[in-house]
Amino acid sequence: EDKVVQSPLSLVVHEGDTVTLNCSYEVTNFRSLLWYKQEKKAPTFLFMLTSSGIEKKSGRLSSILDKKELFSILNITATQTGDSAIYLCAVGKAGGTSYGKLTFGQGTILTVHP
Amino acid sequence: DAGITQSPRHKVTETGTPVTLRCHQTENHRYMYWYRQDPGHGLRLIHYSYGVKDTDKGEVSDGYSVSRSKTEDFLLTLESATSSQTSVYFCAISESSGPNYGYTFGSGTRLTVV
Repeated sequence: EDKVVQSPLSLVVHEGDTVTLNCSYEVTNFRSLLWYKQEKKAPTFLFMLTSSGIEKKSGRLSSILDKKELFSILNITATQTGDSAIYLCAVGKAGGTSYGKLTFGQGTILTVHP
Repeated sequence: DAGITQSPRHKVTETGTPVTLRCHQTENHRYMYWYRQDPGHGLRLIHYSYGVKDTDKGEVSDGYSVSRSKTEDFLLTLESATSSQTSVYFCAISESSGPNYGYTFGSGTRLTVV
């Protein structure tokens, strides 16, 4: 059975702190790992990772994948209150009708206090 | 979100009644998905579609059915609603190929079964 596990499940920090969110996975026919941010409504896409060791960056957010150890981290530096959200990790599979199916982790609830 | 709409946005229904949720897209994407989101569980796949009249079950499909008679519409039906189906339901779409096949999500339907 495919499994995606995120940690911690919740995190409270103050503005300016740096946070690291973790995602480990066990899936067959791995294709990619994706990170999403969810505020009030629908999740919005952050990153997609397919290759080990290549960091993706967008402003204060960055992410990297380790396909040998089967995990990914999402880093947020100099956090702001607008970073408060649920961060979702998902893994996509390759092959046949599995194409495009994503298995999600439970999510990490990040709260950033002023 | 642009290109994908869900209806209704909110619904309260009674136990035992049938309920249909609608997802409509204007992006002509091949793949469509229905997920439910519950605290502590992240997003769990109910059913998905990889083409018109081509659908398959996800991990939590019991009590749900789907139909896709045209590319743009994907309907989720709860045959006889139960309180355990109280949840937020998200529809998502993705392209059939290409390096960035991350989902675009609808804004969600909050369903309460009383």
